[in-house]
Amino acid sequence: DQQVKQNSPSLSVQEGRISILNCDYTNSMFDYFLWYKKYPAEGPTFLISISSIKDKNEDGRFTVFLNKSAKHLSLHIVPSQPGDSAVYFCAASSLPGEKLTFGTGTRLTIIP
Amino acid sequence: DGGITQSPKYLFRKEGQNVTLSCEQNLNHDAMYWYRQDPGQGLRLIYYSQIVNDFQKGDIAEGYSVSREKKESFPLTVTSAQKNPTAFYLCASSRRTIPYEQYFGPGTRLTVT
Repeated sequence: DQQVKQNSPSLSVQEGRISILNCDYTNSMFDYFLWYKKYPAEGPTFLISISSIKDKNEDGRFTVFLNKSAKHLSLHIVPSQPGDSAVYFCAASSLPGEKLTFGTGTRLTIIP
Repeated sequence: DGGITQSPKYLFRKEGQNVTLSCEQNLNHDAMYWYRQDPGQGLRLIYYSQIVNDFQKGDIAEGYSVSREKKESFPLTVTSAQKNPTAFYLCASSRRTIPYEQYFGPGTRLTVT
């Protein structure tokens, strides 16, 4: 049972435009959500997080939106840059600092 | 420079042999984790430890074992009982206070033939 789902395996976006990556979850106990970026044969790098008391968190070009009633979160990257091409994973936990459940990832390709 | 080290980057073993993957962190993090990634899949949790001398099974612990004798170290042994050991293995660590995000090592690719 996949508790965290990323239904788009891949996404292509023109450089300079907005990239929107989506993530859905089924476990209502999840309270803390994170996005990671991963290049091939490397460990994931933390991007941004959000707790359930917020509906938006912003850090530079990255913004995460959380819709608790829909059990949905999204990552917006604007403007998209070639270096953003990577696989993006969303992850969730019941409490901050507890074990994470990861989605299957979305491969983002930025087209120059 | 603080960080997480995993060694080696690539590891080859014959079927039936146990193999131990190293993970060391100098971030002074209490919690450490082992994940496995297979092609086209997300990260699946094998084992985690939130404090020295204590660890819990994750979602796919069968065929694996760990120890946590020191705060800095969390080695993972892939035993011969693991049916499909060939994978990319990732170690991570985190605080148990703010900020909570997990930081990952560079990974070890294990190939068993």
